[in-house]
Amino acid sequence: GQQLNQSPQSMFIQEGEDVSMNCTSSSIFNTWLWYKQDPGEGPVLLIALYKAGELTSNGRLTAQFGITRKDSFLNISASIPSDVGIYFCAGAYNTDKLIFGTGTRLQVFP
Amino acid sequence: DSGVTQTPKHLITATGQRVTLRCSPRSGDLSVYWYQQSLDQGLQFLIQYYNGEERAKGNILERFSAQQFPDLHSELNLSSLELGDSALYFCASSAAGEGEAFFGQGTRLTVV
Repeated sequence: GQQLNQSPQSMFIQEGEDVSMNCTSSSIFNTWLWYKQDPGEGPVLLIALYKAGELTSNGRLTAQFGITRKDSFLNISASIPSDVGIYFCAGAYNTDKLIFGTGTRLQVFP
Repeated sequence: DSGVTQTPKHLITATGQRVTLRCSPRSGDLSVYWYQQSLDQGLQFLIQYYNGEERAKGNILERFSAQQFPDLHSELNLSSLELGDSALYFCASSAAGEGEAFFGQGTRLTVV
């Protein structure tokens, strides 16, 4: 099925470090969403973006809707152990159908 | 708690059998989506319903079907099950015209 390219595929970082991940598409979207999934659980919505260039924060998380509408970025500042999980981006265009990225697996070491 | 309820949480069944997964969307949400997630894989879109009508279809196998009922709950039917159908099946819902989708806890299907 169709998926967005998400990178990096995995990250191993030390507690306190900042994290950056991104998502790219060959098509434009008018909605970008970022989700976090813990093992065996459903994805939880972190941030929603609706406008090109938009920068939105949710605590230590900041996400941006790329100006070309074909990419999005998620930054996590001062990582903590509970940030561990898989982060998925998702995009949609004019319908509610969401296309998901391949995921970034984050591991945080104390 | 996302407000999306999926039952059952776990299901173990034999090859060749048929199962039904159930999803109750968040109150007021008209759209329901079904996704499949195999072990350590991403989320594969299966199908979307909006207010009882099929709206979008992904790579859903012919052995799989879904419907959305007048009370807006949805069911995903999987038949002639194969070992490779073992996966987490997620339901998500969203309000009309909004991109944000909220996921249930999933049903873990194991085919033996």
